[in-house]
Amino acid sequence: AQSVTQLGSHVSVSEGALVLLRCNYSSSVPPYLFWYVQYPNQGLQLLLKYTSAATLVKGINGFEAEFKKSETSFHLTKPSAHMSDAAEYFCAVPLGSQGNLIFGKGTKLSVKP
Amino acid sequence: DGGITQSPKYLFRKEGQNVTLSCEQNLNHDAMYWYRQDPGQGLRLIYYSQIVNDFQKGDIAEGYSVSREKKESFPLTVTSAQKNPTAFYLCASKGGLSTDTQYFGPGTRLTVL
Repeated sequence: AQSVTQLGSHVSVSEGALVLLRCNYSSSVPPYLFWYVQYPNQGLQLLLKYTSAATLVKGINGFEAEFKKSETSFHLTKPSAHMSDAAEYFCAVPLGSQGNLIFGKGTKLSVKP
Repeated sequence: DGGITQSPKYLFRKEGQNVTLSCEQNLNHDAMYWYRQDPGQGLRLIYYSQIVNDFQKGDIAEGYSVSREKKESFPLTVTSAQKNPTAFYLCASKGGLSTDTQYFGPGTRLTVL
């Protein structure tokens, strides 16, 4: 069965440093994957979506993610962290044919001044 | 403005009382979802509905009930049978295609005293 793993429940970076948040899926190649961002006490906001049209996907707020089939990964990156990037980030993959999603447990990003 | 609304934002109830959380969308989406979020647990699916007057149990449906009498509304009732109802509840909706993106409401934080 499909599952998704986010390595590191907490990641801390300095402002201006590279952000790397890891996501690995377990099973057959998914047709699409998502990264969502959640600010405190808010709902999830779509950051980006992979649809197999291109392996490198650009999202909002300067984030991008690269789909690597050989590594079963879809890691999220941003070249230079900003204080406003502090939030929790969730990776999600489809489960079954109805479009239901399975979510990773999330990675909380802290940005130090 | 198109979107998903959840009310109330914060809800307090005494143990043993049923409580209903509201979710309304004006995106003309066919599918709607309820998730429960606990710290470090990611999102867990409670119930989902692909079409009006039909819904299915998710992974943690015990102690919850839903209805889908209108396309735009998908209320969730947390019953007294739910052992640990204190959590953050998120509603989402999606178009009719399996590959469509799920969009989330702002969430309701339920605290049972």
